[in-house]
Amino acid sequence: DAGITQSPRHKVTETGTPVTLRCHQTENHRYMYWYRQDPGHGLRLIHYSYGVKDTDKGEVSDGYSVSRSKTEDFLLTLESATSSQTSVYFCAIGSSSYNEQFFGPGTRLTVL
Amino acid sequence: GQSLEQPSEVTAVEGAIVQINCTYQTSGFYGLSWYQQHDGGAPTFLSYNALDGLEETGRFSSFLSRSDSYGYLLLQELQMKDSASYFCAVRVAKNAGNMLTFGGGTRLMVKP
Repeated sequence: DAGITQSPRHKVTETGTPVTLRCHQTENHRYMYWYRQDPGHGLRLIHYSYGVKDTDKGEVSDGYSVSRSKTEDFLLTLESATSSQTSVYFCAIGSSSYNEQFFGPGTRLTVL
Repeated sequence: GQSLEQPSEVTAVEGAIVQINCTYQTSGFYGLSWYQQHDGGAPTFLSYNALDGLEETGRFSSFLSRSDSYGYLLLQELQMKDSASYFCAVRVAKNAGNMLTFGGGTRLMVKP
């Protein structure tokens, strides 16, 4: 299995609070992605990174920001969480050498 | 933008063959991937088709027709452990990175 971890695995927070989710990889892959998964919507890309300090928006980026200061870490921040951001968040990694993305175990976030 | 259509649910019996279809509309198409996800788990890569035709990997095969914007995943000799959700995803290259856009997923239920 690809070395990819996410923390925390579960979090409950209140509306209006900031939340940061962490993705850590030990594979030295160039590309890292953040997705959210909601029933009936599959996986939707929030943001992705193609290198240290290089990031770009995905299809559902509003309300989210990301940072990548090291190859191995990709942070997703909800500046002011809303109930619509209750979801399961998956981090994934990939490289230009492979056609597949490797997914982390996911973080279940509940915003009350 | 990108859009993918796949059936929401499919039911089959153990030992049977099942086909999960996926049609897509996209700009900048590079290939079609399939991922499997068990309840509570992370998506895992099954197959990737960049060219027309059939790719076989054990009990699973994947087919692509670029001219028809259509692909399918074929699962043979179904086993109970194949009960899971299956996602098709189109690969598009945007600026940098191998971006994936996922369909809404097909929930496969295998019955004894």
